[in-house]
Amino acid sequence: QPVLTQSSSASASLGSSVKLTCTLSSGHSSYIIAWHQQQPGKAPRYLMKLEGSGSYNKGSGVPDRFSGSSSGADRYLTISNLQSEDEADYYCETWDSNTRVFGGGTKLTVL
Amino acid sequence: QLQLQESGPGLVKPSETLSLTCTVSGGSISSSSYYWGWIRQPPGKGLEWIGSIYYSGSTYYNPSLKSRVTISVDTSKNQFSLKLSSVTAADTAVYYCARLYGFSDVWGQGTTVTVSS
Repeated sequence: QPVLTQSSSASASLGSSVKLTCTLSSGHSSYIIAWHQQQPGKAPRYLMKLEGSGSYNKGSGVPDRFSGSSSGADRYLTISNLQSEDEADYYCETWDSNTRVFGGGTKLTVL
Repeated sequence: QLQLQESGPGLVKPSETLSLTCTVSGGSISSSSYYWGWIRQPPGKGLEWIGSIYYSGSTYYNPSLKSRVTISVDTSKNQFSLKLSSVTAADTAVYYCARLYGFSDVWGQGTTVTVSS
């Protein structure tokens, strides 16, 4: 079963960029993941599907400021021109034939 | 536009069974492209997958909860349901239902369930 590892917190200044990381466990480096955003008090929102090649497909209405990339077992979510509403928890998710897992989440603070 | 809505009691007594229903609107639960799932989030913690179901009734569950979980589907009502037996305070959480296209691409708004006597 795959395991996803995320840093517990990150911070960046308003208008700057930040890159969040989700790392797949050994033997699962080719897995596709999804990124989700959870603003305070709200349900998670699907942001994008991200493949090991770095190709990504965003959900409806996700701003252009959000992009994805990959390197080996690492999957990245980059947010450019940070806005106050980007302050949220970010989760990665992956799945296989009979299971799915979430990373522990990264709490992003916009300074 | 597809929408999912969770419903059920907000308070459950310890040792009893938690029962929730997710109603799907704006699309058919019988679509061959999707699974449907339950995910929960204890207060202040991260997301935990509970289990998933296909419209045919095929299910798969989180091994850590498998002995207590039953997920079922009612295609005539466009709904799927969760039952979690022998609950304890550790089952207190916000429970979400979601559409699964591999990944969870549409989420319900969530419903809070508290386990307390």
